[in-house]
Amino acid sequence: GAGVSQSPRYKVAKRGQDVALRCDPISGHVSLFWYQQALGQGPEFLTYFQNEAQLDKSGLPSDRFFAERPEGSVSTLKIQRTQQEDSAVYLCASSSLFGPGLENTGELFFGEGSRLTVL
Amino acid sequence: RKEVEQDPGPFNVPEGATVAFNCTYSNSASQSFFWYRQDCRKEPKLLMSVYSSGNEDGRFTAQLNRASQYISLLIRDSKLSDSATYLCVVSNDYKLSFGAGTTVTVRA
Repeated sequence: GAGVSQSPRYKVAKRGQDVALRCDPISGHVSLFWYQQALGQGPEFLTYFQNEAQLDKSGLPSDRFFAERPEGSVSTLKIQRTQQEDSAVYLCASSSLFGPGLENTGELFFGEGSRLTVL
Repeated sequence: RKEVEQDPGPFNVPEGATVAFNCTYSNSASQSFFWYRQDCRKEPKLLMSVYSSGNEDGRFTAQLNRASQYISLLIRDSKLSDSATYLCVVSNDYKLSFGAGTTVTVRA
């Protein structure tokens, strides 16, 4: 389809395992975001890419979290040594806009998310 | 203190009723505001922008009060399909900050 695609949709990991979550944004979209959504909460900002440049990683909870977008399209969020508190839905969003255009329209296209459960 | 605070609800209303709810934001420098809608176990989707002068989109009316730093959403003539969680969103530069959401359930 033409939307944002995320995989895997569901991931169960044992505590201490490493996981990698993939995001395929809408083709040509410049901006890419990762958000974390815990049960009953709103999405919380993790990191932002403009093309291949990671402009903001201030929301990453710890140095166990790492994101990349090496060619400015597909992005991967990696979580090392997973902990139970990492259990959440990880949402990827993209936009053709950046800067003031993005701020003014607020339109992000979200994927359906990767639901991570850490046992 | 969270940047965006919302009453979680739930608001349970009959079809045809009007329902309204607010959110407050902490950053007085915020410039842009939105409502997103999220259906159960689905991704958030932009519902509408919120302008200082207030704006309508069909049965939905959004208002912004900059002095009090709150944003409201009113839904008229509620439909069963309006049942969802409504996320209040504040934009600062590229970063969208989401509230925890207000759950609305419309019953037949």
